[in-house]
Amino acid sequence: DGGITQSPKYLFRKEGQNVTLSCEQNLNHDAMYWYRQDPGQGLRLIYYSQIVNDFQKGDIAEGYSVSREKKESFPLTVTSAQKNPTAFYLCASSIVFSGRSAGNTIYFGEGSWLTVV
Amino acid sequence: DAKTTQPNSMESNEEEPVHLPCNHSTISGTDYIHWYRQLPSQGPEYVIHGLTSNVNNRMASLAIAEDRKSSTLILHRATLRDAAVYYCILRDVLGSSNTGKLIFGQGTTLQVKP
Repeated sequence: DGGITQSPKYLFRKEGQNVTLSCEQNLNHDAMYWYRQDPGQGLRLIYYSQIVNDFQKGDIAEGYSVSREKKESFPLTVTSAQKNPTAFYLCASSIVFSGRSAGNTIYFGEGSWLTVV
Repeated sequence: DAKTTQPNSMESNEEEPVHLPCNHSTISGTDYIHWYRQLPSQGPEYVIHGLTSNVNNRMASLAIAEDRKSSTLILHRATLRDAAVYYCILRDVLGSSNTGKLIFGQGTTLQVKP
């Protein structure tokens, strides 16, 4: 079945360590997104990408980095510069954002829990 | 980016209809209205979307005000499985502000009582 796969589901990070969250989609979507969600809060946009080899910062990009070398993959690295990384991270994808595609569904992965120990 | 405003929480009794409001007073003529819902520790899932006319699907109905400055998601018979956070978001059709961003607000937490 088509969908978005995030891994790992649970990840523990030590202070000062970089970690990478994987996001893979087989929906042939051009656009991909990363969100952060803190307990009891809404989703905040970290980075997004509308095409391979291009991406833009969202509202809370500091301390994070991404790459988009392949259409189906959009990994997120949480760097040591991110001072409070403990959160639920969600990856999403959609058809590229223009014209009638604004009516198209956004698909989300199941999320990854990151905890600093 | 146009913003949406939703109540933080609502309660409903099981088997009764639920009306979840969303205000989007700065909506542009080319913004679609989307609704998603999120169960605990899961990714959001699509519920419904519309542009100008009211919409129905197997999950819910979407009622859009004539001036499009507000909309209401209607769950016709709430079940315990409908307890979730419901998000109302806007998506630009023509891309006049085509940054590709998808901005989610705080959403409405729906509690369903048996």
